Amino acid sequence: QSALTQLASVSGSSGQSITISCTGTSSDVAAYNYVSWYQQHPGKAPKLLIYDVNRRPSGVSNRFSGSKSGNTASLTISGLRPEDEADYYCSSYTISSTYVFGTGTQVTVL
Amino acid sequence: QVQLVESGGGVVQPGRSLRLSCGAFGFTFRDHGMHWVRQAPGKGLEWVAVIWDDGSNEYYAASVKGRFTISRDDSKNTLYLQMNSLRAEDTAIYYCARDEPRGTYFHYWGQGTLVTVSS
Repeated sequence: QSALTQLASVSGSSGQSITISCTGTSSDVAAYNYVSWYQQHPGKAPKLLIYDVNRRPSGVSNRFSGSKSGNTASLTISGLRPEDEADYYCSSYTISSTYVFGTGTQVTVL
Repeated sequence: QVQLVESGGGVVQPGRSLRLSCGAFGFTFRDHGMHWVRQAPGKGLEWVAVIWDDGSNEYYAASVKGRFTISRDDSKNTLYLQMNSLRAEDTAIYYCARDEPRGTYFHYWGQGTLVTVSS
């Protein structure tokens, strides 16, 4: 199972919106609506941001939103803030009952 | 509140074994599937294994299948990862993570334990 493909880095200015993409295959992202997104600050454990493509857990800001089209999922961060500077990973459930993460995207707030 | 605490990491020689533990606190452990996820130094996240809430099924990443075994002891609220035939490429921080009933995501994470495979 190959990792899902994410751009290595994305940057934006404070207040802007950015979108991080996550491309998989018919065996994972396209197969189910089971894509999730995680934020990881340096030296910290990952934190769940989005699950089931577009659902937010309690306590996660509504500035984070998710979507999916075919084999590509996306995470949009609106109103970018300095504290959003972190690594972001997508994940998908697969047809083999396993899981796969994306390669990760480093977000820089200019 | 939900808390996951990993332990058992350390330095181990290639080819040797190590067992990781993950203590679960603040929730009904037997109601949740549990995962191990690892992260090599400076690298991305890699899913390792899952065990269902009732322990009836386990699934593994191809990179560890046949060498690692995930298990759980609901009486001790503890998740385990038995790692055999360790390789240098198994060097990573190992996180345990909890999913949600009928969920397919990692809702809560521990802080991780570092495993270093080196001679």
